[in-house]
Amino acid sequence: EAGVTQSPTHLIKTRGQQATLRCSPISGHTSVYWYQQALGLGLQFLLWYDEGEERNRGNFPPRFSGRQFPNYSSELNVNALELEDSALYLCASVGLAEETQYFGPGTRLLVL
Amino acid sequence: GESVGLHLPTLSVQEGDNSIINCAYSNSASDYFIWYKQESGKGPQFIIDIRSNMDKRQGQRVTVLLNKTVKHLSLQIAATQPGDSAVYFCAERPSGGGADGLTFGKGTHLIIQP
Repeated sequence: EAGVTQSPTHLIKTRGQQATLRCSPISGHTSVYWYQQALGLGLQFLLWYDEGEERNRGNFPPRFSGRQFPNYSSELNVNALELEDSALYLCASVGLAEETQYFGPGTRLLVL
Repeated sequence: GESVGLHLPTLSVQEGDNSIINCAYSNSASDYFIWYKQESGKGPQFIIDIRSNMDKRQGQRVTVLLNKTVKHLSLQIAATQPGDSAVYFCAERPSGGGADGLTFGKGTHLIIQP
């Protein structure tokens, strides 16, 4: 069974640009979580999507947004990029009525 | 605010020895805890989990202990191998069915010496 996949693996942008990151959950999983892992920091909860809806967001500004598609894949958009947005962005999926979050390999975003 | 923290940022053990990684949590309402392993350049890999109504759970070479009285979580790895070298994170789920995601500690770097 394929795990969570993310694309691209690396992304280089300049300040002020927009970035789009993609995540495909494990087959059958309906929930997707996004986390930011900045250098030297732990993982910080960004967004939670379930059944196509945004259910909750962490303590991040509105320029971090996303969506979940009918096939349960998800997209994270970061607008007006700032230098401090440079980080590893991880998504995790959870099955219906399950608890364990399984992570993808992440997208490393570098903002210059 | 509430947080999950780790006592030791780096732990060095001899290959074949047992290792214990500790974690303190502060949110008494958390109902679910997970240990993840993260190797360089990879995403966190699930190791083992435990619910708050349990105090011990065993997997293959790993054991998680939960002490709710002192809000302490530990991961024991038996007979460590070179492949165990990684950063280990504990994470807690605040009660609410996952709405707030997981709260992670900063991680412990486990180094296996030959």
